[in-house]
Amino acid sequence: KAGVTQTPRYLIKTRGQQVTLSCSPISGHRSVSWYQQTPGQGLQFLFEYFSETQRNKGNFPGRFSGRQFSNSRSEMNVSTLELGDSALYLCASSLGGGRILVANEQFFGPGTRLTVL
Amino acid sequence: SQQGEEDPQALSIQEGENATMNCSYKTSINNLQWYRQNSGRGLVHLILIRSNEREKHSGRLRVTLDTSKKSSSLLITASRAADTASYFCAVDRGSTLGRLYFGRGTQLTVWP
Repeated sequence: KAGVTQTPRYLIKTRGQQVTLSCSPISGHRSVSWYQQTPGQGLQFLFEYFSETQRNKGNFPGRFSGRQFSNSRSEMNVSTLELGDSALYLCASSLGGGRILVANEQFFGPGTRLTVL
Repeated sequence: SQQGEEDPQALSIQEGENATMNCSYKTSINNLQWYRQNSGRGLVHLILIRSNEREKHSGRLRVTLDTSKKSSSLLITASRAADTASYFCAVDRGSTLGRLYFGRGTQLTVWP
């Protein structure tokens, strides 16, 4: 099976702009989670989507949003970019499912490196 | 903190030696997962150990879990220079859908 893919791999934006990142999960996986990784804060959870519904959300401002399509592909959007948004954005896919005690084994994509100038 | 916390923060060894990294956490878990990350790249899933398991092996990797002490360890035997990477433990609490709680990681350097 093909792994998780993320596009673009690298992005340079200026403050105030907005950006959209894309993630295609492993075939058959219905859950997509997004994380932000920075040297200072480490890996922080943004949100998770399953069957086009956001099931869980981390502590990020409303400038960070996402969505999931019927084919499980997901996008995240960051509006009004700030310098502090510079980070590696990682998406992870898993089988997901309705049972909360099912193992949440996540497989990550290569990430999108966002630089805000 | 609900995150896993790795120890040590950095580890430097010679090729052929064993590397042991530890992870502690504070909440009840459904499972605990270990990941590797090469510089600036995505995370590679190494192994998952469920809360009712005590030990698991995968190739040169050995993971233990002690739920009474809320701790886990990752042992890499006969290390190679290619094992140089950051290693993260991630806690799956089971009650927080789609979310893993990560520690800050252990930076492992294996010298040839």
